Amino acid sequence: NAGVTQTPKFRVLKTGQSMTLLCAQDMNHEYMYWYRQDPGMGLRLIHYSVGAGITDQGEVPNGYNVSRLKKQNFLLGLESAAPSQTSVYFCASSYLGPYEQYFGPGTRLTVT
Amino acid sequence: DQQVKQNSPSLSVQEGRISILNCDYTNSMFDYFLWYKKYPAEGPTFLISISSIKDKNEDGRFTVFLNKSAKHLSLHIVPSQPGDSAVYFCAASYSGAGSYQLTFGKGTKLSVIP
Repeated sequence: NAGVTQTPKFRVLKTGQSMTLLCAQDMNHEYMYWYRQDPGMGLRLIHYSVGAGITDQGEVPNGYNVSRLKKQNFLLGLESAAPSQTSVYFCASSYLGPYEQYFGPGTRLTVT
Repeated sequence: DQQVKQNSPSLSVQEGRISILNCDYTNSMFDYFLWYKKYPAEGPTFLISISSIKDKNEDGRFTVFLNKSAKHLSLHIVPSQPGDSAVYFCAASYSGAGSYQLTFGKGTKLSVIP
């Protein structure tokens, strides 16, 4: 039982490049989330999904898009990366929305 | 506007003593509260939670206290151990229909000194 996994673990992008972060969970959870963590800012919600094919914006959605074609996978896309998107990105999932969420190990992204 | 506030960015405690981490919230709709622990280079892990129908919840060395009138909760760790050194996040949610999110504080870095 792997829980929540994230790919890749590290990535360096140049400004303007695009990339997709992949999150996968094997707990059959309905809800999935993407957060970013910046120094002194805590965890801020980017986008979330309440089921396959259903997504919504969180607190800081600008510059990101998401896709959830299958229940177990949640993708976060950066179409044109900016230095302000340098951060650590965490994916999480939960069985019931506003309760315990289980986090992946994170992806450290640097945009130069 | 920050709805969940952890006003102490850091806290140092001697091993064996009590660690008390504090959290305040402003949204009176919040009725479920959680604490997460995060080590460097790892994802946050769930530690303990409390519903607003209770004022205390214990799990081993960890106890969370909720004061609804003050909109304040605290996490007590007794006794503190060096392995407890981590960043602790407080989170809150509203459990009503249409609610899917947790709102996190900015975290408190706990250092337990051997």
